[in-house]
Amino acid sequence: DAGITQSPRYKITETGRQVTLMCHQTWSHSYMFWYRQDLGHGLRLIYYSAAADITDKGEVPDGYVVSRSKTENFPLTLESATRSQTSVYFCASSETGERYYNEQFFGPGTRLTVL
Amino acid sequence: DQQVKQNSPSLSVQEGRISILNCDYTNSMFDYFLWYKKYPAEGPTFLISISSIKDKNEDGRFTVFLNKSAKHLSLHIVPSQPGDSAVYFCAASGTSYDKVIFGPGTSLSVIP
Repeated sequence: DAGITQSPRYKITETGRQVTLMCHQTWSHSYMFWYRQDLGHGLRLIYYSAAADITDKGEVPDGYVVSRSKTENFPLTLESATRSQTSVYFCASSETGERYYNEQFFGPGTRLTVL
Repeated sequence: DQQVKQNSPSLSVQEGRISILNCDYTNSMFDYFLWYKKYPAEGPTFLISISSIKDKNEDGRFTVFLNKSAKHLSLHIVPSQPGDSAVYFCAASGTSYDKVIFGPGTSLSVIP
């Protein structure tokens, strides 16, 4: 299906385990983003990517790793999960160009619980 | 320190009335503003945007007003409908930025 998908939709893990959240988009958008949503904080940017093999840190990158070997995929890895990483994670993408760049298309989210 | 603020965590409005959601920002370099709408268990979806060269942008029932001198924008929904019940995020960006900064959101409930 066209659009942006995330998997899994729900994940429960334990402290110290490695977890990878997947994101896939079919629009060939250049930009991709990972956000976490926490009550009182809204959406906070974790990492973003302007193109394949180009990634950069956002506001809250500590404890997370990203890669982008293909334009359509942007996985987010928690190398050693902590309880503070319990959150809802959203992946987003946008086209290049000044105006369209700013309008991001979001996936449905992954609810992650770290016990 | 939050660069984009939405000081009302929640808002309740009667169906048919006007909903006004407010947003304040602190960074004078922001020159493009967006509103996103989010239903439970879904990702946010883009609603409306405004560039700093304008002070108003309208799309159907939704109008965004920008007051640059006050660093304030507002989203007006007229008339409000029960289907508008959602969390609304204000967001801001600058042309020199790669990133969009989101506010904490306002939960709107439209009561039938």
